[in-house]
Amino acid sequence: DAGITQSPRHKVTETGTPVTLRCHQTENHRYMYWYRQDPGHGLRLIHYSYGVKDTDKGEVSDGYSVSRSKTEDFLLTLESATSSQTSVYFCAISDQSQRQVNGYTFGSGTRLTVV
Amino acid sequence: GNSVTQMEGPVTLSEEAFLTINCTYTATGYPSLFWYVQYPGEGLQLLLKATKADDKGSNKGFEATYRKETTSFHLEKGSVQVSDSAVYFCALSDNYGQNFVFGPGTRLSVLP
Repeated sequence: DAGITQSPRHKVTETGTPVTLRCHQTENHRYMYWYRQDPGHGLRLIHYSYGVKDTDKGEVSDGYSVSRSKTEDFLLTLESATSSQTSVYFCAISDQSQRQVNGYTFGSGTRLTVV
Repeated sequence: GNSVTQMEGPVTLSEEAFLTINCTYTATGYPSLFWYVQYPGEGLQLLLKATKADDKGSNKGFEATYRKETTSFHLEKGSVQVSDSAVYFCALSDNYGQNFVFGPGTRLSVLP
């Protein structure tokens, strides 16, 4: 996928444990996003970043935190996983100047199951 | 605020049938419009786009025309294949690139 990778691809974790998902890009894009995808809800924005150490909340940010210490990496952390956070998580990137023209590039997703 | 509405499906067609997936939008100004496709187990991929009124985006036999008068961006393909089975998302970006909105997705199943 066009310079964006997510890890891990699959994870099963227990309720109450912390979980960190990683998104890595090689495109040097300024904007990075975390979405979750659930049946009946489509794609929902969790958090996004508009630069190193610059992040903001999306529509479903409760229970999630993010960090961006380098341009290429955007981490999503579930501080204490709950069953409601079982989902498929997608990272996306976009170039600031071309976002309106080129849209977003998505990673392949991480399937997270909280048991 | 900006929004996208699309038929949620599922849509089931036979191979070589004609496909239309409707998409309408609400936005201020002059948004850009996109169709993304998600194949099973994969992320979303950009299928086609249009950045101004009357533009036609096309790719892999799919087409969509940006109709400002009807605020629509319907996806069409003249003859679908089994390999087109996927979920299709309509999306828009406002003219400042600040707000990107996805529709709920339409699942397409094509039967041989």
